[in-house]
Amino acid sequence: ETGVTQTPRHLVMGMTNKKSLKCEQHLGHNAMYWYKQSAKKPLELMFVYSLEERVENNSVPSRFSPECPNSSHLFLHLHTLQPEDSALYLCASSQEGGRGDRRTDTQYFGPGTRLTVL
Amino acid sequence: KQEVTQIPAALSVPEGENLVLNCSFTDSAIYNLQWFRQDPGKGLTSLLLIQSSQREQTSGRLNASLDKSSGRSTLYIAASQPGDSATYLCAVRPGSGGYQKVTFGIGTKLQVIP
Repeated sequence: ETGVTQTPRHLVMGMTNKKSLKCEQHLGHNAMYWYKQSAKKPLELMFVYSLEERVENNSVPSRFSPECPNSSHLFLHLHTLQPEDSALYLCASSQEGGRGDRRTDTQYFGPGTRLTVL
Repeated sequence: KQEVTQIPAALSVPEGENLVLNCSFTDSAIYNLQWFRQDPGKGLTSLLLIQSSQREQTSGRLNASLDKSSGRSTLYIAASQPGDSATYLCAVRPGSGGYQKVTFGIGTKLQVIP
């Protein structure tokens, strides 16, 4: 099992609900990511928090709002979602910055949250 | 814009067979290429990572090769087992950027029949 955990694993919500996805990494990494994985599509990067800086994909709707209170925790706040937002949401972490042997050349993924919007 | 294509989209083989999964990319200016495994409804597990200066990497029954000039990588699985059944994803990290610009393929769904 990886050092990245996600909760909840499954979520069903109506279009008017507000919910949050949580991700926690226990690897001491300095970058965290949210990805969306839809059927028959490649992983889509939604947000990145790297070295305390937020980088976002401009095509992500404002109904998705990320929060990164510290380097170990990442949230994705959801409100007024649409049925087409139903997907697997994956969190990942990595060590960026190239500082000696602590740099990783790979991302470590969590198990994902399966989101269904009714 | 980098594009990553994986062929075939799905593959079904009998147990014990050797098989090859293909990944092609359009921009050869890459930093590394990585193969992941994904089980249904779960996250990605890294299998092999090949740096741009390398030609291949091996781990157990898995061997990944990289031909950067032609924009191709292959994942070779020897003596396939039912436990190898999963979706295999290829991901390319560009030479000029961080993980913000990693491009994934859609994957090849492999089924190994006992």
